[in-house]
Amino acid sequence: NAGVTQTPKFQVLKTGQSMTLQCAQDMNHEYMSWYRQDPGMGLRLIHYSVGAGITDQGEVPNGYNVSRSTTEDFPLRLLSAAPSQTSVYFCASSRVGTGELFFGEGSRLTVL
Amino acid sequence: AQTVTQSQPEMSVQEAETVTLSCTYDTSESNYYLFWYKQPPSRQMILVIRQEAYKQQNATENRFSVNFQKAAKSFSLKISDSQLGDTAMYFCAFRGGNEKLTFGTGTRLTIIP
Repeated sequence: NAGVTQTPKFQVLKTGQSMTLQCAQDMNHEYMSWYRQDPGMGLRLIHYSVGAGITDQGEVPNGYNVSRSTTEDFPLRLLSAAPSQTSVYFCASSRVGTGELFFGEGSRLTVL
Repeated sequence: AQTVTQSQPEMSVQEAETVTLSCTYDTSESNYYLFWYKQPPSRQMILVIRQEAYKQQNATENRFSVNFQKAAKSFSLKISDSQLGDTAMYFCAFRGGNEKLTFGTGTRLTIIP
């Protein structure tokens, strides 16, 4: 079972570069989300989606874009990377209303 | 907005002992879910236990149990007969009607051999 797949697992960027973190799930989940994890701050919600064509902002959306063209995919785009975006990023999905989120393995991003 | 507070940044306990991790939350909703997730050094987020707010009975999963006090908005995790593999970060999380999952800042638990 693939579950939630994130790529890449590691990435180093220079300030101002752009990149996309990919997230795909094969469980037909309506809900998908992106979190960032920083030391001492837990996991903070960046963006989320409750279905194809529907996205909304979370707690820390600035500097990130998302789209949801299919049920399976929910990419996270950094248009102009900044050192403050150095973090570990997690994608997670679930069925709407069922509670439990399933997480990907995380992506460590370093912005120099 | 919901908030989740974990007031114990770090804890340590001897192997085979029992440890309790604290979590409080703030919400005006009556129907919601609460979770404890474990994050070992591998970075993977692993669900330990979940509790539906409408259920009065405390959830239990093998050595893991919760003390859910809805009126007090408290959701503590008890680990019995702790094992070396329990060493990890533990996150308390809340999920309400808007589907968003809100995490606490975590408790780093170390099991001492």
